Amino acid sequence: DIVLTQSPATLSVTPGDRVSLSCRASQSISNYLHWYQQKSHESPRLLIKYASQSISGIPSRFSGSGSGTDFTLSINSVETEDFGMYFCQQSNSWPYTFGGGTKLEIK
Amino acid sequence: DVQLQESGPGLVKPSQSLSLTCTVTGYSITSDYAWNWIRQFPGNKLEWMGYISYSGSTSYNPSLKSRISITRDTSKNQFFLQLNSVTTEDTATYYCARGLFSMDYWGQGTSVTVSS
Repeated sequence: DIVLTQSPATLSVTPGDRVSLSCRASQSISNYLHWYQQKSHESPRLLIKYASQSISGIPSRFSGSGSGTDFTLSINSVETEDFGMYFCQQSNSWPYTFGGGTKLEIK
Repeated sequence: DVQLQESGPGLVKPSQSLSLTCTVTGYSITSDYAWNWIRQFPGNKLEWMGYISYSGSTSYNPSLKSRISITRDTSKNQFFLQLNSVTTEDTATYYCARGLFSMDYWGQGTSVTVSS
């Protein structure tokens, strides 16, 4: 199975900061990498698909980049509503797998 | 709007079978996409369990070996998860979701505890 390693595990930030979350794959997955946000007691929400494609209804401050094994989710000017867990997921090969998550918290 | 809703027992005894239903509204499960079961363990780890496609084909996570079965009732626009021989390690929140490569719609999740 492809292992996705997310870093850091926890990121403490101040509203207004620009942040970058990392997801590294154990082997090349091209651009078959997707990002989700999960708030407490809610289901995951798709933020970015295929590494960098935007999703309708998602604020433009969220963007993704990368290919191969290294990927980044960037949030330009974090807002209080952005705090929660972020997961990456690969769909290059079955079984699809998720990263362990990054918790974005208020400093 | 597309909505998915999981339902089923919240408590299952060890060695028994776990059965869940996902009811889909706003989109026909025979039109397109794959219809997935994903679970989240305490501590937040997510695991892809398997899916049934719009055509009825299935794919399962090898880690679940022969314990899992995903079926559907197209007349009710529902699909189902059955997980056999459960242990306490199957305690998790179970989600159904739509998508073939990325998941764009999710149910709210249903918590299942395996305990005697």
